[in-house]
Amino acid sequence: GQSLEQPSEVTAVEGAIVQINCTYQTSGFYGLSWYQQHDGGAPTFLSYNALDGLEETGRFSSFLSRSDSYGYLLLQELQMKDSASYFCAVHGSGNTGKLIFGQGTTLQVKP
Amino acid sequence: GAVVSQHPSRVICKSGTSVKIECRSLDFQATTMFWYRQFPKKSLMLMATSNEGSKATYEQGVEKDKFLINHASLTLSTLTVTSAHPEDSSFYICSARGGGADNEAFFGQGTRLTVV
Repeated sequence: GQSLEQPSEVTAVEGAIVQINCTYQTSGFYGLSWYQQHDGGAPTFLSYNALDGLEETGRFSSFLSRSDSYGYLLLQELQMKDSASYFCAVHGSGNTGKLIFGQGTTLQVKP
Repeated sequence: GAVVSQHPSRVICKSGTSVKIECRSLDFQATTMFWYRQFPKKSLMLMATSNEGSKATYEQGVEKDKFLINHASLTLSTLTVTSAHPEDSSFYICSARGGGADNEAFFGQGTRLTVV
């Protein structure tokens, strides 16, 4: 089967750094993406890793270790508006565009 | 960035009726679109892959006669929930790729379906 594991909830304060981990077990793997979703809204793309290592995009960074089937999203200088759900998603082999999503991590940023 | 428009954003229908949801790529051509379903506080579950000019590919456990998908043009895919029942009430979201890097999917705003 296919499964992705990520923590259900994380709480942090403004200005802090938070790391959201994702471990995956899938039949095929092309890459790992991260999406942000605010309540009632559409998921928005944050980051993508196909190769091992760290990808940095502003305050957000994402890391992948293919050998460990593990990745994380790092959010720095947290702001209140970062309160949302964060999903890791595996791209299946063949780059078909299909995404298998994790259960999502609800991040609550407190003042 | 690329824009995907989904319509309607909310719909309430009676049990037994059918509802059509549209997903349009506004500024790019999408040969492939995807339909997801999301329950409150839950993950997005892939329902089907919509391919322009051919039959949709459904994920295991998704009833193709229940959820009809049509991808008649490079900018439009539709999902029709037929003979809707209260258990079909959910948040349905489409996505498309083709508007940016291959690894980036662009999502519609989602449709909140309530069947009464």
